[in-house]
Amino acid sequence: QSALTQPASVSGSPGQSITISCTGTSSDVGGYNFVSWYQQHPGKAPKLVIYDVSDRPSGISNRFSGSKSGNTASLTISGLQAEDEADYYCNSYTTSSTGVFGTGTHVTVL
Amino acid sequence: QVQLVESGGGVVQPGRSLRLSCAASGFTFSNFAMHWVRQAPGKGLEWVAIISYDGRYKYYADSVKGRFTISRDNSKNTLYLQMDSLRAEDTAVHYCARDHRSGGSSYFFDYWGQGTLVTVSS
Repeated sequence: QSALTQPASVSGSPGQSITISCTGTSSDVGGYNFVSWYQQHPGKAPKLVIYDVSDRPSGISNRFSGSKSGNTASLTISGLQAEDEADYYCNSYTTSSTGVFGTGTHVTVL
Repeated sequence: QVQLVESGGGVVQPGRSLRLSCAASGFTFSNFAMHWVRQAPGKGLEWVAIISYDGRYKYYADSVKGRFTISRDNSKNTLYLQMDSLRAEDTAVHYCARDHRSGGSSYFFDYWGQGTLVTVSS
């Protein structure tokens, strides 16, 4: 199972919006709505920020939103803040009943 | 509160075995599927395996299939990962993670442990 494709890095200024893409195939992202996103700060465990493509867990800011079109899922962070600087990973269920993560995106707040 | 605490990591020679444990507390362990996820130093996340809430179903990443075995003891609220025939490329922080959905599996991970480092080196 190949990793989902994400851009290596995305940057934005405070207050701006950024979008991270996550491209897979019809066997994973395109075939199911089991897409989730994780935020990981250095030296810390990942944190769930979006599940079921667009749902937010309790306690996650509404500045985080998710969507999907075809084989590509997207995470948008609006009103970018310094604390959003981190690595972000998408994940999807696959037809093999396995999970697959994206390659990861480093978000820099300028 | 939900807590997941991994243990069992360390330095091991190629070809040898290691068993990781993940002690769970703060929730009804027997109601939730559990996963192992790993991260090589400086690299991205890699999903490793899932076990259903009752232990009946297990699935593995191709990279570990036939070498790793996931298991659980619901009476002890503990998840395990038996790692055999270890390779240098298995060097990583190994995390246990709870599946988001009670009574099923969603492949979303809502709680994570702090991770335990496995280093495979001669």
